[in-house]
Amino acid sequence: DAGVIQSPRHEVTEMGQEVTLRCKPISGHNSLFWYRQTMMRGLELLIYFNNNVPIDDSGMPEDRFSAKMPNASFSTLKIQPSEPRDSAVYFCASSFEGARTGELFFGEGSRLTVL
Amino acid sequence: DAKTTQPNSMESNEEEPVHLPCNHSTISGTDYIHWYRQLPSQGPEYVIHGLTSNVNNRMASLAIAEDRKSSTLILHRATLRDAAVYYCILRAYVGGTGNQFYFGTGTSLTVIP
Repeated sequence: DAGVIQSPRHEVTEMGQEVTLRCKPISGHNSLFWYRQTMMRGLELLIYFNNNVPIDDSGMPEDRFSAKMPNASFSTLKIQPSEPRDSAVYFCASSFEGARTGELFFGEGSRLTVL
Repeated sequence: DAKTTQPNSMESNEEEPVHLPCNHSTISGTDYIHWYRQLPSQGPEYVIHGLTSNVNNRMASLAIAEDRKSSTLILHRATLRDAAVYYCILRAYVGGTGNQFYFGTGTSLTVIP
């Protein structure tokens, strides 16, 4: 099992540029989560998909952020335009919700720096 | 979203037991208590979870208060590799659509050699 795969691992961009973060969940998992982690705010849940459908996007900061899950094996988080305050580590996590354990498996994260 | 309260930081001597507390006074009857930990420069990893009864696994033990308003993660013998941020989470089950996981600020555990 390859685990949750995120790309890129590191991204440095300039303010105003579009940023796309990618996630491949563990095969067979039907829930996917995007989190953002900063020193000030800790781990924040941005959006949560179940069976490819967005269930809760109340954590998405503003309209500059969007997330899609076109199929069970791929999701993207897009920031357009990016701002310096978006600098953070973005984590993707997946789980299987058929049972009531629902253990989350996290990727290694994408560290974003917006200059 | 369900809330938990944890101390910001704790210290332990190596090879001694560590008790990490968590308060969750607003827990509902269907919420599971999960613990995760995050090692430096890594994503969080699952440690243990429970509903009402105490639980043990190879990593730790989870003691849940009878009223479920608090719980304690127990590391029986702390090692330097246990130095991490430990998160206590209530898994809110949204019927029919799966689960939501909200992380608090966690407890940063320092293990002293």
